[in-house]
Amino acid sequence: GAVVSQHPSWVICKSGTSVKIECRSLDFQATTMFWYRQFPKQSLMLMATSNEGSKATYEQGVEKDKFLINHASLTLSTLTVTSAHPEDSSFYICSASGSGGGWNEQFFGPGTRLTVL
Amino acid sequence: SQQGEEDPQALSIQEGENATMNCSYKTSINNLQWYRQNSGRGLVHLILIRSNEREKHSGRLRVTLDTSKKSSSLLITASRAADTASYFCASNAGNMLTFGGGTRLMVKP
Repeated sequence: GAVVSQHPSWVICKSGTSVKIECRSLDFQATTMFWYRQFPKQSLMLMATSNEGSKATYEQGVEKDKFLINHASLTLSTLTVTSAHPEDSSFYICSASGSGGGWNEQFFGPGTRLTVL
Repeated sequence: SQQGEEDPQALSIQEGENATMNCSYKTSINNLQWYRQNSGRGLVHLILIRSNEREKHSGRLRVTLDTSKKSSSLLITASRAADTASYFCASNAGNMLTFGGGTRLMVKP
């Protein structure tokens, strides 16, 4: 299957720092990328959907000014957690979906663990 | 709620026993998928069942889908300690996956 990478795998930062997480589709063009957040022992919650070249669509309750998403190319999307606070500590997972295919399978990245001190 | 429901939330069994997890969803779907996640790790895609399918097998996995009840089940037969993980269903409607709350499975050796 297609490969999606995320960088970094784990980041620890001080409160107030802005953190950028990258999501790359390595062997296919991702017309749509999704960002999820997962708190410990909980399921994945969709934060936003981004289509290449367009503004991201945020789910209800997700602050777009806090979680900046850029999807400038067909192989890269970035999520920037601005002025991170301890409550933003979570596991952030991206997925990518390419054009074609009967049902637009999503391929998941390995996740980025963010710890805000 | 964005999420569907899964039950049980946690399941503990002995190695060799079967494990059954259930999932319910809310909207019409194109397909339903099951994923496994080891603690602190990424998702592993297990199996996909389309909306016009009722049952599907893959190795020790058996998935059923009842679209009239908007529910699905995942059966893991002859469980192994290595099956210990969290299992999530995800309903696919168009280009969006909606995840259930997950079942934490522990298989004791």
